[in-house]
Amino acid sequence: EDQVTQSPEALRLQEGESSSLNCSYTVSGLRGLFWYRQDPGKGPEFLFTLYSAGEEKEKERLKATLTKKESFLHITAPKPEDSATYLCAVHALNYGGATNKLIFGTGTLLAVQP
Amino acid sequence: ETGVTQTPRHLVMGMTNKKSLKCEQHLGHNAMYWYKQSAKKPLELMFVYNFKEQTENNSVPSRFSPECPNSSHLFLHLHTLQPEDSALYLCASSQVEKETQYFGPGTRLLVL
Repeated sequence: EDQVTQSPEALRLQEGESSSLNCSYTVSGLRGLFWYRQDPGKGPEFLFTLYSAGEEKEKERLKATLTKKESFLHITAPKPEDSATYLCAVHALNYGGATNKLIFGTGTLLAVQP
Repeated sequence: ETGVTQTPRHLVMGMTNKKSLKCEQHLGHNAMYWYKQSAKKPLELMFVYNFKEQTENNSVPSRFSPECPNSSHLFLHLHTLQPEDSALYLCASSQVEKETQYFGPGTRLLVL
């Protein structure tokens, strides 16, 4: 069964303390892996799409990487405004039904303290 | 308006009420989605519409009834809901041939 697992569930960092969030996935065939940011009371905001192992994408203090089994979201020198829930999702080859379906993890709640 | 909008943002309803959630996308996309988000659970896909046609119903109870009159608008009609249906309902859109989905702000629903 296709599955996405994110860890840790919650992470508290001091401002400037770099760290990484993990997204492990088990799918029959990966078509894409997505990272979203979600602020309280808002919808998820798209960050990155990764398609193949070895691919990396960067945006400000965030860098996403992908292997054949997992993805990492690295946060370098975080600021309080980076506090949010970070969601990982995968698009796999053979779900049946609609082909444009995403499977989401439960997210990592990041809190960055000043 | 830009992106994906949803109304209302908050809704409180009794179990015997009938209400509707509205979603509109201003991105020129041709696929629209309804998701349910509950605390401590992953986003749960409910329905997918591609080119106004429903292509996915993820075993959603019939008390939830979607409607997609055109590629820019999506509705979720609600009737005789249960308290466990209380959640954040999110709408998203994308191009059918591209996987990246863009989300609206959601409707926070409370069923009493």
